[in-house]
Amino acid sequence: QLVESGGGVVKPGGSLRLSCAASGFTFSKAWMSWVRQAPGKGLEWVARIKSKGDGGKTDYAAPVKGRFTISRDDSTNTVYLQMNSLKSEDTAMYYCTTFTIFGVSDWFDPWGQGTLVTVSS
Amino acid sequence: DIQMTQSPSSLSASVGDRVTITCRASQSISSYLNWYQQKPGKAPKLLIYAASSLQSGVPSRFSGSKSGTDFTLTISSLQPEDFATYYCQQSYNTPYTFGQGTKLEIK
Repeated sequence: QLVESGGGVVKPGGSLRLSCAASGFTFSKAWMSWVRQAPGKGLEWVARIKSKGDGGKTDYAAPVKGRFTISRDDSTNTVYLQMNSLKSEDTAMYYCTTFTIFGVSDWFDPWGQGTLVTVSS
Repeated sequence: DIQMTQSPSSLSASVGDRVTITCRASQSISSYLNWYQQKPGKAPKLLIYAASSLQSGVPSRFSGSKSGTDFTLTISSLQPEDFATYYCQQSYNTPYTFGQGTKLEIK
């Protein structure tokens, strides 16, 4: 199970930190991602962090690179998304999801319920 | 970046119909293609992974196939609970990309 928190209304240029608490699986071995969905729009992958055992590497989508930082705390089974220099186009529902790898296949599952971020003056 | 072109963007169908949704990748992605269903106000739900493998608990009326860089999601006999938006997604490399979605509506 994944439970996101930390969303809210923030002014352009502001910052916000999203959290995602995981349970029911071995979090320390999981690769975690954030995916967002602007109102009425499609899904957009935002960021991914590998497990520490797999090197802990992070990757970002171009629109957020340099502004967003994904991190993890395996002691509390939590993944974070620090969002700085927010823009109106960052307004979206943000979903936390596990990038499940099984053999040569991989996919996003499970997903949290989402947390809404609104960037507005 | 790998572009995923999904068609149609919307589709009207009736209960019991067979429907097909197509997704084309801009380059070879092997079988790194997944399908999700999303209902209004809900998180996406995984239906198909690795192009044709049915996720546990998903009804067998859903199926996926691959031909080169073209991928297809088929619903063999639409049920009322299947009216939703469907997305394809490539997991071949980052940035992971989704198709623009297909909204399946009741005729």
